[in-house]
Amino acid sequence: SQQGEEDPQALSIQEGENATMNCSYKTSINNLQWYRQNSGRGLVHLILIRSNEREKHSGRLRVTLDTSKKSSSLLITASRAADTASYFCATDASGANSKLTFGKGITLSVRP
Amino acid sequence: DAGVIQSPRHEVTEMGQEVTLRCKPISGHNSLFWYRQTMMRGLELLIYFNNNVPIDDSGMPEDRFSAKMPNASFSTLKIQPSEPRDSAVYFCASSLGSGIGGYTFGSGTRLTVV
Repeated sequence: SQQGEEDPQALSIQEGENATMNCSYKTSINNLQWYRQNSGRGLVHLILIRSNEREKHSGRLRVTLDTSKKSSSLLITASRAADTASYFCATDASGANSKLTFGKGITLSVRP
Repeated sequence: DAGVIQSPRHEVTEMGQEVTLRCKPISGHNSLFWYRQTMMRGLELLIYFNNNVPIDDSGMPEDRFSAKMPNASFSTLKIQPSEPRDSAVYFCASSLGSGIGGYTFGSGTRLTVV
């Protein structure tokens, strides 16, 4: 079953604009992670935010986590055509045997 | 490090044939995961191993699927007999430990069963 649900399913923006993608989940988590997948390739880990963190930055990426609302957002600032890809949130649920459960992903298109 | 290595990259087989997918995780990673990706169902976790021991195989669809990890540097996912609905991209991923950090994914095996 899908733990994370991303929103929107697809996003199209102009190069230079910011892209905001959202993720909601259902159960308690240890951490939440965001991944990128280019067409025909494997997933690439972007950033991890732990359940006791509220915000994290990595280059042009900013991730927030609201555990009370069970939601997270990924912001890509000053987008580039090379950011065109699918983005997935994945949750590592609390428990002895943690494992990542992925959402269905958001397709981001950045127009040059 | 060359990353997580999967083979083959593409596999086309006839229904009923046995298929074996292979994975070499990153050296030093002690958790290994097999995922399947389809348009309809997204990414599904099939099975994962910690220190070569299968921990959770609840995602394995049927008895036709089996996975092994004979040592820390090699894992296989076998489908016998294969069916057209098994067509998907199969990913292997590894990590330093469950719950510790991000996963490193291989490039995947695109399986087509005709």
